[in-house]
Amino acid sequence: DAGITQSPRYKITETGRQVTLMCHQTWSHSYMFWYRQDLGHGLRLIYYSAAADITDKGEVPDGYVVSRSKTENFPLTLESATRSQTSVYFCASRGQGASTEAFFGQGTRLTVV
Amino acid sequence: GDSVTQMEGPVTLSEEAFLTINCTYTATGYPSLFWYVQYPGEGLQLLLKATKADDKGSNKGFEATYRKETTSFHLEKGSVQVSDSAVYFCALFKTSYDKVIFGPGTSLSVIP
Repeated sequence: DAGITQSPRYKITETGRQVTLMCHQTWSHSYMFWYRQDLGHGLRLIYYSAAADITDKGEVPDGYVVSRSKTENFPLTLESATRSQTSVYFCASRGQGASTEAFFGQGTRLTVV
Repeated sequence: GDSVTQMEGPVTLSEEAFLTINCTYTATGYPSLFWYVQYPGEGLQLLLKATKADDKGSNKGFEATYRKETTSFHLEKGSVQVSDSAVYFCALFKTSYDKVIFGPGTSLSVIP
């Protein structure tokens, strides 16, 4: 199916564990993004990527790692999960050009206990 | 730096009321402007967009006009429905940087 998919949709993990959230898009979009959404903070950009093997930090990158070895995948890893990383995480992608919109995945609800 | 400001709400309206959600931006040059909507439990989806001054974006009865003189992109709908209850995000993008900049979101509840 064409689109952008995130997995898992829900995840519960323990403090200190490593966890990876997956994001896959089928359009070969150049740009991919990871956001977290928390009450009172709106959407905050964690990391983004302009192309394969090119990544850059957003507003709140601490505690997260990304990679982009293939254009279609952009996994987000929490190296050692903390309770403050409990959130809903959204992946997005967009193509080139100022008028092209970003497409969002359905989100991953992560709970760190 | 570039930014987007919007009324945060929550906004509560009765069905068939007129809706305005204000959005203003700070940016040099000529950004593209977007409105996204997030229904409960879902990701964001594009509602409408405008790419140059005086453009009007429209979709599902919603409209917004790109006003460069007031740096605004206010969202309007003449008659809201219960199904319009959602969070609405104003956003901008410029080709001089890679990121989409979002406003804080406005929560809308429409009651029958």
